[in-house]
Amino acid sequence: DAGITQSPRHKVTETGTPVTLRCHQTENHRYMYWYRQDPGHGLRLIHYSYGVKDTDKGEVSDGYSVSRSKTEDFLLTLESATSSQTSVYFCAISEPDSLNTEAFFGQGTRLTVV
Amino acid sequence: ILNVEQSPQSLHVQEGDSTNFTCSFPSSNFYALHWYRWETAKSPEALFVMTLNGDEKKKGRISATLNTKEGYSYLYIKGSQPEDSATYLCALEESDMRFGAGTRLTVKP
Repeated sequence: DAGITQSPRHKVTETGTPVTLRCHQTENHRYMYWYRQDPGHGLRLIHYSYGVKDTDKGEVSDGYSVSRSKTEDFLLTLESATSSQTSVYFCAISEPDSLNTEAFFGQGTRLTVV
Repeated sequence: ILNVEQSPQSLHVQEGDSTNFTCSFPSSNFYALHWYRWETAKSPEALFVMTLNGDEKKKGRISATLNTKEGYSYLYIKGSQPEDSATYLCALEESDMRFGAGTRLTVKP
């Protein structure tokens, strides 16, 4: 299994509080992604990173920010959590310069904003 | 940025039936088309990555084809089994990787 871990796995937080989710990889893959899973939507891309300090927005980036200060870690921050951000968040990694560019996923983080 | 559409949204079949799903996208340049299998309470796992028009990939009873000129990919499952029940996602790899909403397959014994 690809070495990718998300923390925390579960979190309940109050509306208006900041929240940071962490994705850690040991595969030295260049690309890292944050997705959210919602019924009827599959996986929607929030932000992604194509290298250290190189990030870009995805489909649903409003209300989220990211940082990647080193290859291994990609942080997703909800500056002021809202109930609409209650979701399951998945991190993924991929290496576009390899023969197989498939994405490997973390276990997911279930976030509930009350 | 290409929109990825999948159909049908859900599918119920009997054990032993063969089935197929569609992933469609506006024809354009992209690096690869991916298929993933996503079981409930687990993380998505890659089935196939296809890059060339006419690509065909096979893994056991599951196979996939890619037609970049007409903008679609098919995923086929031959002789469905209950353990094939899952959501099947396709994704386009461009500068990022975007997924369709998936096809949820339920195979009844």
